[in-house]
Amino acid sequence: EAQVTQNPRYLITVTGKKLTVTCSQNMNHEYMSWYRQDPGLGLRQIYYSMNVEVTDKGDVPEGYKVSRKEKRNFPLILESPSPNQTSLYFCASSPDRGRRHFGPGTRLTVL
Amino acid sequence: TQLLEQSPQFLSIQEGENLTVYCNSSSVFSSLQWYRQEPGEGPVLLVTVVTGGEVKKLKRLTFQFGDARKDSSLHITAAQPGDTGLYLCAGVRSGGSNYKLTFGKGTLLTVNP
Repeated sequence: EAQVTQNPRYLITVTGKKLTVTCSQNMNHEYMSWYRQDPGLGLRQIYYSMNVEVTDKGDVPEGYKVSRKEKRNFPLILESPSPNQTSLYFCASSPDRGRRHFGPGTRLTVL
Repeated sequence: TQLLEQSPQFLSIQEGENLTVYCNSSSVFSSLQWYRQEPGEGPVLLVTVVTGGEVKKLKRLTFQFGDARKDSSLHITAAQPGDTGLYLCAGVRSGGSNYKLTFGKGTLLTVNP
């Protein structure tokens, strides 16, 4: 089954404790991206990647890092999480610049 | 300033009613997409419109792209409870990076039986 998977689905952590949210797609898509979704603010793009080793900042990249060492994986790294990064995070992949296939989401709470 | 303004923000209607959701901008878009998101899930693409004035139909859903490619609408005929969800429009800004897809804040639709 073609899909985008994210892990973990739910995470509660404390301020400053480094964490990684993994994202993997099995559709051989070149393009992948990360979004956060907050009430009243909608979906905002954090980072995106056009291909292996090619990444660029989205609209809200501060406090996040990404890497794209393999085509299928695009992890989101929070080196020192803060409470304002509490949010619902979505990874997406796309075969081109159009349709995004979204993962199921990761609900992160930073205390 | 929100690049894509969606209205209304919330909509609660009875089964069988018709409704229209709007997505407006002062910017020109090379394409616009509509997604539906259900609780606990990621958004799922409904349609992409790319040509000014284009109309696309998906069963009871009709999507229209404005002639100037600055706005779009989604019309649902005879809404059903299964149509309940968050409807999001998203666009690739004309002249901008083709990899940057900007989302509106969404319209939360509730269809009551």
